[in-house]
Amino acid sequence: SAVISQKPSRDICQRGTSLTIQCQVDSQVTMMFWYRQQPGQSLTLIATANQGSEATYESGFVIDKFPISRPNLTFSTLTVSNMSPEDSSIYLCSVEQGGDAEAFFGQGTRLTVV
Amino acid sequence: DAKTTQPPSMDCAEGRAANLPCNHSTISGNEYVYWYRQIHSQGPQYIIHGLKNNETNEMASLIITEDRKSSTLILPHATLRDTAVYYCIVQRTGTASKLTFGTGTRLQVTL
Repeated sequence: SAVISQKPSRDICQRGTSLTIQCQVDSQVTMMFWYRQQPGQSLTLIATANQGSEATYESGFVIDKFPISRPNLTFSTLTVSNMSPEDSSIYLCSVEQGGDAEAFFGQGTRLTVV
Repeated sequence: DAKTTQPPSMDCAEGRAANLPCNHSTISGNEYVYWYRQIHSQGPQYIIHGLKNNETNEMASLIITEDRKSSTLILPHATLRDTAVYYCIVQRTGTASKLTFGTGTRLQVTL
């Protein structure tokens, strides 16, 4: 199994600012994913972080708002840019490891925008 | 990926079996049924998955109907620590973990 560390675990930010969330995995993984979980809601996939190429975004999410980096096979960052209160959510990093496509998740970053 | 339908909430007494149903009537032949759970303030946790045969591991059992249009996750002896939201997800293995989460079932285990 993969162990995922996310930083920060929580933050309170001012509107208009940006926050970068880090995701570190204890082993090399092929695929890394970023999800958003709005208050009281289920998880929604934001994008797939591709190593060596640009991230692949899902419908409704754009690179200008959620830039993603994936410099190597164990690390990725998600930036939430120009934040508004509507961005208050839990952001989760996920990885796939192994042929069964079982997903492992980080503990999440709880973001509150004021 | 096929959609799933789950009851929004269920209660279960501690020590009893918890049976969580899921309907996936539009499932395709190459799609698997996965179950994850999310305990409060944690990331989702994989539980079990299956294609057509029933599966069992140390956490749970998965019963899939013969027509594969529905399934049931069974926690044989529920404890308070099993209180969580349980998600039934249908996806093709090999498509990586682009999971499409539905609303899930909130299971409350009580004394």
